[in-house]
Amino acid sequence: QKEVEQDPGPLSVPEGAIVSLNCTYSNSAFQYFMWYRQYSRKGPELLMYTYSSGNKEDGRFTAQVDKSSKYISLFIRDSQPSDSATYLCAMSLTSGTYKYIFGTGTRLKVLA
Amino acid sequence: EAGVAQSPRYKIIEKRQSVAFWCNPISGHATLYWYQQILGQGPKLLIQFQNNGVVDDSQLPKDRFSAERLKGVDSTLKIQPAKLEDSAVYLCASGTGLRNTIYFGEGSWLTVV
Repeated sequence: QKEVEQDPGPLSVPEGAIVSLNCTYSNSAFQYFMWYRQYSRKGPELLMYTYSSGNKEDGRFTAQVDKSSKYISLFIRDSQPSDSATYLCAMSLTSGTYKYIFGTGTRLKVLA
Repeated sequence: EAGVAQSPRYKIIEKRQSVAFWCNPISGHATLYWYQQILGQGPKLLIQFQNNGVVDDSQLPKDRFSAERLKGVDSTLKIQPAKLEDSAVYLCASGTGLRNTIYFGEGSWLTVV
């Protein structure tokens, strides 16, 4: 079993839709949770960062962490064609080593 | 603020040849990472430096890969000899330790033929 599982997609949605992207994990020691966006031929770009459980909102993006279920989500409201990219979840074990474990990424396509 | 710089952006080599990638992290970032990202997969950590010391190199194929970070700033990742399965994007990232977040460069795309 992989430490971090993420559906690779692709996920196609119409413009304006609400998108839900998810990751599950097996290691209950993860404390820090990140979402990165990666455009084709580019490096990953940090979107959202959450510590422990709870929700965090930034514009059209909302990140949720449910540690009891070992499940994290990224919601994108009013999706735009410019949101078409691969979305990677990442998790970190401790603040000491900052060792990040990444999911495989979900390819998202928002259709105009 | 300048981001993480990497070069070269693209490289094509034949198997058994050698290649080197260079990374300049964000100024002041003590932690530097090299990740390997194979097409369709998430980044996999190869090596992590804290200043110029190695924190984690458990997934670095040491028989062919080497990395150094002299003076705690720039870093070089070398592959010798390259294999077909080394075709991937090599991502450099850096972080301060604050907010436990890291920032990536654009990547160096390697094709081994």
